[in-house]
Amino acid sequence: SAVISQKPSRDICQRGTSLTIQCQVDSQVTMMFWYRQQPGQSLTLIATANQGSEATYESGFVIDKFPISRPNLTFSTLTVSNMSPEDSSIYLCSVEAGIGRAYGYTFGSGTRLTVV
Amino acid sequence: GQQVMQIPQYQHVQEGEDFTTYCNSSTTLSNIQWYKQRPGGHPVFLIQLVKSGEVKKQKRLTFQFGEAKKNSSLHITATQTTDVGTYFCAVPRGGSEKLVFGKGTKLTVNP
Repeated sequence: SAVISQKPSRDICQRGTSLTIQCQVDSQVTMMFWYRQQPGQSLTLIATANQGSEATYESGFVIDKFPISRPNLTFSTLTVSNMSPEDSSIYLCSVEAGIGRAYGYTFGSGTRLTVV
Repeated sequence: GQQVMQIPQYQHVQEGEDFTTYCNSSTTLSNIQWYKQRPGGHPVFLIQLVKSGEVKKQKRLTFQFGEAKKNSSLHITATQTTDVGTYFCAVPRGGSEKLVFGKGTKLTVNP
């Protein structure tokens, strides 16, 4: 199944700055998903990144705040822009683990972001 | 939009006791997936259920999909400290590849 390398694993950032999170997959995948997991909470989908087209954002998330790049079928970045303490969360990328949903989805190890 | 209710939110058990978490949907599901997230870790896929009334086992874990495909359960027999973590169910939103996650059940095990 697909393996994802996500970095950074954690960061502490000043408010007003931006952080770019990277996910590298060891195989080509059509869609990559970006999630946010606030402390002690469930996963919330931020956006879906397709290679060659604009990312599609979920309600409550906008491109200006969370710009996404998807330059090829194995790589994507999510930027958290103009950060505030409310952005402190774990950010995860995810892809289908294999052909067909029987393998579920693989997640990156997550980026634990603290905004101070 | 698609929602799935998961209960209980927390469960604390003594090692050796059984544990069950439940997920319920108001609509018929095409499938349901289960994930485990260890403390400080990321979600890890456990299983997918597709067929009405399906029951699957993985060692001490038993997964069930309801006859109406609107509910599912994960049962752990004789919990061990290695079972600690949060268990999430996840369902596809509409006919898409996007997943909607339940709120999760956080399991703690007292040795």
